[in-house]
This record gives sequence, structure tokens and C-alpha cells, in this order.
Amino acid sequence: DGGITQSPKYLFRKEGQNVTLSCEQNLNHDAMYWYRQDPGQGLRLIYYSQIVNDFQKGDIAEGYSVSREKKESFPLTVTSAQKNPTAFYLCAYRDPNTDTQYFGPGTRLTVL
Amino acid sequence: AQSVTQPDIHITVSEGASLELRCNYSYGATPYLFWYVQSPGQGLQLLLKYFSGDTLVQGIKGFEAEFKRSQSSFNLRKPSVHWSDAAEYFCAVVLNTNAGKSTFGDGTTLTVKP
Repeated sequence: DGGITQSPKYLFRKEGQNVTLSCEQNLNHDAMYWYRQDPGQGLRLIYYSQIVNDFQKGDIAEGYSVSREKKESFPLTVTSAQKNPTAFYLCAYRDPNTDTQYFGPGTRLTVL
Repeated sequence: AQSVTQPDIHITVSEGASLELRCNYSYGATPYLFWYVQSPGQGLQLLLKYFSGDTLVQGIKGFEAEFKRSQSSFNLRKPSVHWSDAAEYFCAVVLNTNAGKSTFGDGTTLTVKP
């Protein structure tokens, strides 16, 4: 799995519900990122965290929340305030030795 | 505004033909440059990257890319495309002073004809 996992692979949500996407890495890296991907578009940054107990908003943070209580875990909550949550969500970590981001397999969220 | 442009939304090539995917960026300084590949429903896989030094970089799966400072470009090439190369390709840049945040192009979808 390249050291980073996301679960579940597919997620269905009813309108008005919050849902949490899991992202875990076992490589002891500090920096982690959440991106949203829509068809025909590149990745857009939702939130990122450079260290435990700290995180910053990215370009499209509205309607999302995160936590970073443990170095290995960076869960993303899609709240009911997110107007168009159906998308593919990708989590990544950054290897500080190479300044390179490596991605998890993604979670496809569909709002019914 | 800082941006990454991939001018070609969709490219179709015949198997065995050569391939070039274009990427241009608009930053004041030279950023770190990356190419990723994504198969449908999958995460992104790193193909190659450029930080400094030799402007022609080799990557996995037979891909290479050339950094041209004068053109603010980082085009991806492959001499002979295989059917398994059909995927979506993303160019990304990182400013080394930007907390490692990446900016991605909108991607180029590659179709390979038999």
C-alpha cells in the first residue's frame, strides 16, 4: 500500500449527514494533505497538517473539518454544510527527505 | 496568479508511437516539478520529479521529462507508448517555501489506440 491507506474505498451518504474519511500512514511523516478531485479537474487542496495537533485550511476548506491527534492519522469529515460533496478524495503524505508527496488509493464519496 | 497549465485535455496516440504531454507553470522562481499518473479510480503514482541539476530527468515506466526554464515548461515524453500507458497524467509544482503544498494542472487523459 506504499505506507498510506484510505478507507473506505466507496462511501455513500444521505444529504444532511456528516461523514468521516479515514487516512492512515505508517511511515512516521509529519506532513499530510487532503485533496478533492472532480472529473476534468486537477486536485484541489482541502486541508493540510505539518505536525500533530496543528492543521491549516487549503483552498476549498468550507464544509470540511479535520483533526490530527496522532501523527499517523489525518481523518477528514465532510459536513452537511458542504454543498456538493460528491467527489473523489485523496490523502497524501510528504516525504521530507525528497520533498515529494505520495498518495493513498482514494475514497469515492457519493451523496444520494 | 500562480498556476499550472496542461494545455491538452485529451490526447490519443497509437501504440508504439511517441508521446509528449505539455506542462507550463507561472511562478516567479523555479518550483519543484512533478509528473504523476492516475489510473481510473486509483490514487496518483509518481512518475518523476525535478528539483535542480540536469534538466532531463528519467522516471519510471520509460518516461522522461525536460525542464526548460526559458519556456517555464516541464514536458513529459515517452519514445514508444504501450497500451498500459492509457491513464490520466498530472503535472504538479511545489514552491519550496510553501509548506510543501502542491498545485496541480487539470490533467491530460491519454488514450492509446491499438
